[in-house]
Formats: sequence, C-alpha cells, structure tokens
Amino acid sequence: RKEVEQDPGPFNVPEGATVAFNCTYSNSASQSFFWYRQDCRKEPKLLMSVYSSGNEDGRFTAQLNRASQYISLLIRDSKLSDSATYLCVVSGAGSYQLTFGKGTKLSVIP
Amino acid sequence: EPEVTQTPSHQVTQMGQEVILRCVPISNHLYFYWYRQILGQKVEFLVSFYNNEISEKSEIFDDQFSVERPDGSNFTLKIRSTKLEDSAMYFCASSEARGDAMSPLHFGNGTRLTVT
Repeated sequence: RKEVEQDPGPFNVPEGATVAFNCTYSNSASQSFFWYRQDCRKEPKLLMSVYSSGNEDGRFTAQLNRASQYISLLIRDSKLSDSATYLCVVSGAGSYQLTFGKGTKLSVIP
Repeated sequence: EPEVTQTPSHQVTQMGQEVILRCVPISNHLYFYWYRQILGQKVEFLVSFYNNEISEKSEIFDDQFSVERPDGSNFTLKIRSTKLEDSAMYFCASSEARGDAMSPLHFGNGTRLTVT
C-alpha cells in the first residue's frame, strides 16, 4: 500500500526558531517529491520540489534519502506567516497520482 | 500569476442529487486532476485527465463520478447521485506535463461540497 507518513504535530515554535519536519514513504519506486503548505481550509500550495541532491530556497531546505525513503524539510528563522500545515507529497513511477501525507501543523508564536 | 479557478466555492446539495463542479485550469497546461479532502483528513487523488481521456483513476472514482472537458477551457467533475460521504473539499489541479518535480501541480482554491 502506498503511504506517506508524517508527524502530525502540532509544532509550536517561537519566531526565529529553526524547525524540522520529517516524512517517510513506502513506495520505493516513487520518483518525485514535494513539500506543499496548506493554510486552514485552503488549497495546497507548492512550497518546493525535493531533489536527490537536496535543495534550498531561502529559509527552506529540503533533503531526500532514497535509501531510507525519507524526506525532510528545515525551516530557519521562522516567521509568523510560516504557520500552516506542511504536506509531504510523493508521486509514483509512471503514475499521475500524487500521494499526500496527512500533514504536520506548524504554529509560529510571537 | 496564472491560477486555477473553481466554481462554486461552496455547494450544498441533497443526498441523491447530481452535482457538477467546475474548474478552469491554467491555459497552457495539458494535464488536469481532481483531488478531494474530507475535513480533517489527507488530500486524496481521484482522477487525472490528459488528451481528452482519463489517464488514471483511484478506487474512490467509481461509476458515480465522471469528468469532462466540454470546451477548450473548462474541466468538470460530475457526481451523479451524491452520498453523505461525498461531503468534502474538492480540488482541481493542472500541470504543464505529467506532474513531476519539473512540472508540479497547481491547485485551485477548491469547492466545498456539503451533502445533506
């Protein structure tokens, strides 16, 4: 069964903190990996794609470990606006279907 | 920035009624999708559509569901006879190519379907 597992949180952190989210996936044939963010009752919005070599976009860093089937997201210098649910998303080999994790809720506190 | 638009934002219907959810994907995108999210649960794949036909569908997408691209811009999801458990947020998405790291999905703002 294809699954994506995430720590549901919530993570409550002060502004300026560094926070890390982890995700594991069960389908070893998965080829594409993403982090999306979702605000309450809104649509998922792409935060970043995750590449094998790891990648960084400003305060956000994503890592992929294919051997362990593990993905991570690091947020540095947290802002109030980072408060959201972070969704780990994986696509299968030759599949159009994205499999979503249930998400990790982040609350950044003043 | 181009975006996926969905109408209506909220649809209330009675059990057994037919509903049509509408979406306008981003204009140069070729792949279209419907996902749903039951309140408090994860986002789930329903169906993907390419070149005027379904390319993949999930177990959720049974005979009560159908999709159509009636013209060059709209992409619709029809539920023939709604059930209480169809109550969810339905998200349309589109991508330039098969959704992968080079061509991620862009989601619309969703239609909240409430079946009473």
